[in-house]
Amino acid sequence: EIVLTQSPATLSLSPGERATLSCGASQSVSSSYLAWYQQKPGLAPRLLIYDASSRATGIPDRFSGSGSGTDFTLTISRLEPEDFAVYYCQQYGSSPITFGQGTRLEIK
Amino acid sequence: EVQLVESGGGLVQPGGSLRLSCAASGFTFSSYWMSWVRQAPGKGLEWVANIKQDGSEKYYVDSVKGRFTISRDNAKNSLYLQMNSLRAEDTAVYYCARDPSLIAAQYYFDYWGQGTLVTVSS
Repeated sequence: EIVLTQSPATLSLSPGERATLSCGASQSVSSSYLAWYQQKPGLAPRLLIYDASSRATGIPDRFSGSGSGTDFTLTISRLEPEDFAVYYCQQYGSSPITFGQGTRLEIK
Repeated sequence: EVQLVESGGGLVQPGGSLRLSCAASGFTFSSYWMSWVRQAPGKGLEWVANIKQDGSEKYYVDSVKGRFTISRDNAKNSLYLQMNSLRAEDTAVYYCARDPSLIAAQYYFDYWGQGTLVTVSS
């Protein structure tokens, strides 16, 4: 099973700043099959990025994903107030699919 | 607009059973793989099971094999999860989620329902 480790656990930033969230895999993720989701309290996760760098439908271009192998990054170029939430990475290149434990992005 | 609406959650005793439903609308339900994903209180996400478009293939996480059964009724645009022999560790919000692939399952999820809470406790 591929273990995904997200860092930092909590990130405190201000609106307008740049956010960089990391997701490290215990083994190489096949074909860069990695997704990122955003989850706000009491709501379902929302798909942001798939295949490591492809934005999902309707996702603003301030969200971008990069990486391959064991190291992946979600970057939010300029934080908006609505971006403060928990972010999860997920690998789907190997069975069983696994999720990271999440990074909480909070307002500083 | 794609909508997924779960129902059927509640409080059940250990060893009991529960059947979750997910009503889909806004897309051709029969064209997509569908999954159940759960989230224990204050915890991360865990994929539980998925089912092929025609119901001919079903896959489960090891921890629920033999206890949970996923099924679908394409005529009713509905997905189900029959949960038997429930344990305290099955306590979670259960989400119905759509796999975006029209062919082989991709195992990531482009639309999610709002979730239904299952609590297993005596």
